[in-house]
Amino acid sequence: KNEVEQSPQNLTAQEGEFITINCSYSVGISALHWLQQHPGGGIVSLFMLSSGKKKHGRLIATINIQEKHSSLHITASHPRDSAVYICAVMYSGGGADGLTFGKGTHLIIQP
Amino acid sequence: DAGITQSPRHKVTETGTPVTLRCHQTENHRYMYWYRQDPGHGLRLIHYSYGVKDTDKGEVSDGYSVSRSKTEDFLLTLESATSSQTSVYFCAISGLAGGTSYNEQFFGPGTRLTVL
Repeated sequence: KNEVEQSPQNLTAQEGEFITINCSYSVGISALHWLQQHPGGGIVSLFMLSSGKKKHGRLIATINIQEKHSSLHITASHPRDSAVYICAVMYSGGGADGLTFGKGTHLIIQP
Repeated sequence: DAGITQSPRHKVTETGTPVTLRCHQTENHRYMYWYRQDPGHGLRLIHYSYGVKDTDKGEVSDGYSVSRSKTEDFLLTLESATSSQTSVYFCAISGLAGGTSYNEQFFGPGTRLTVL
């Protein structure tokens, strides 16, 4: 079975800290997604990437295809960043097959 | 906002009753997906559609059926609901040429289903 592993499962940090969430997967992919879900809320796509690095505001996502690993970084973290961050992959073979998800990282940023 | 809605947003039903959830999109996306989200399991693919009347099974399809008679609507049916189908159900869409990539997915707001 193709697995997507995230670490850590839970993370509590102080406001202003630099945050890193990791994601690893087992086989070749066509794209990797980072998603955000606030408590009781919907799912928002933060990034989709297949190589290199993307940046949006205080969020940075990187991917290393050879090592089958991606990281999501949050700089100058803020309590409003508290959410579940989910890594998901689209395995190579086409866009119709849906995403395979990690179990998420619960992030709490304390003021 | 990718123009995706789900109905109902909340439903409580009894074991053995049929339930249909609707996903509606206004953006002409080709692909539509149904996922369920459960504590300890995360999100898992139930069924997906790659066009009108073209559907296929996902990882956890047992006990579910789907239909897509129009581009904009993707229905998920639980023929005889069981307590194990209590979950939050998310619809997603992708495959619009005007998006940043063919694989970018947009999620609906979710439907919370409780089967007593």
